[in-house]
Parts: sequence; structure tokens; C-alpha cells
Amino acid sequence: DPKIIQKPKYLVAVTGSEKILICEQYLGHNAMYWYRQSAKKPLEFMFSYSYQKLMDNQTASSRFQPQSSKKNHLDLQITALKPDDSATYFCASSQDAEQFFGPGTRLTVL
Amino acid sequence: GQQVQQSPASLVLQEGENAELQCNFSSTATRLQWFYQRPGGSLVSLLYNPSGTKHTGRLTSTTVTKERRSSLHISSSQTTDSGTYFCAMERSSAGNKLTFGIGTRVLVRP
Repeated sequence: DPKIIQKPKYLVAVTGSEKILICEQYLGHNAMYWYRQSAKKPLEFMFSYSYQKLMDNQTASSRFQPQSSKKNHLDLQITALKPDDSATYFCASSQDAEQFFGPGTRLTVL
Repeated sequence: GQQVQQSPASLVLQEGENAELQCNFSSTATRLQWFYQRPGGSLVSLLYNPSGTKHTGRLTSTTVTKERRSSLHISSSQTTDSGTYFCAMERSSAGNKLTFGIGTRVLVRP
């Protein structure tokens, strides 16, 4: 069974719309993260949460808002979508050191 | 400048050959992790190795923290080893944020 679930796997959105990317982990980890991978840039860190509290935010735009309703959930809300937001978004989690990644959500903004 | 540098950028191997991938980082790392990714796939954690030498299967990683470098050795390569290998490090002052290199693309021919 997958330990980190990301939904949906693929997502197509129109410019200006809003989408929520879902992430759930069943590893019992207390820290969760979001990373982004696009064709133009290497994998880049976006957010980290520990015990449902924001620890680090490296995303310049407020259009990206993480939401943690439960300890093992960390969703990512993206508003006013732009074509440059097209990328694969990976959720990850860790307990102490090693980070484990989910399968990703590939977002295409038209 | 780039905080994590990987070399070579790409590598072509004949099945059965060995390979050595290099990772150099520009600041003291508290965590060092090697990942593997197939095209369109997720990031699979191969080895978590902040210092010393670690093995798993045909993979060996050696990290020399004070010299800010790590290597990943692939022995007896197989066609299924084809993909991109990423090195990621966390700086001592950067919380749990992983900074990735741009990867080494490996192609193993039968």
C-alpha cells in the first residue's frame, strides 16, 4: 500500500483558477514538506511543517498556501494560477532525518 | 552560486559496468541523501548518508563531510538502473529543507 498519497495524479487548470493539491502520509511522521519540480528549474523546496506548524517557507508568492487539517495531511492551495506554475509538485515526509517522497501531482496550467 | 553540484551531468554505461557519481556542496551539510527518479516518476530514496560509507544492494555512498563531497557508486549496472540520480543536502542552519543538485542522468545499455 502506498505510504504517501497525493491526489490527483494529473491536474489541468486554466490561468486564473484555483486548485488544491492533496497529500496524506501514513508513515507516522511528524514533518511534512512540499517541493516543486519543473522543466526550467531543479527540484526546489517550498514549505516544511512540523507537528502541523509552518517551519519554513521558501515560496515568494502568497498564492501558494499550505493547509494542514490533520497531523498526517498537508494540502497545497494555489490561487490565481499562472502558466509558470506548471510543474510536478511533490509532497514528502520525515520523522527525523531521511525524507520520503510521494508520487507527485503533475499540474498543467493553460 | 549553485549549492549542490553533481557530476557528470550524464553518463552512458554498458550493462555490467560500474559508475561513480559525484556530489559537491558549498556549505556544511547535516544531511545528505541520494535519490533516484525515472522519467515521470517519483523520487525514490536510495541512501541517507550524512557521513561515512553506506551500502544498499549494488549501491555504495561515501560522504566526507569536512570536504563537502559525497559519491554514489553503482556496481554491475543493469538496464533498470537507467534514470536520474539526485544528491540532496540540508545545511546545518536550514532546518529540514533539502537542496537538490540538478542530477546525473544515467543510461545503461544492454
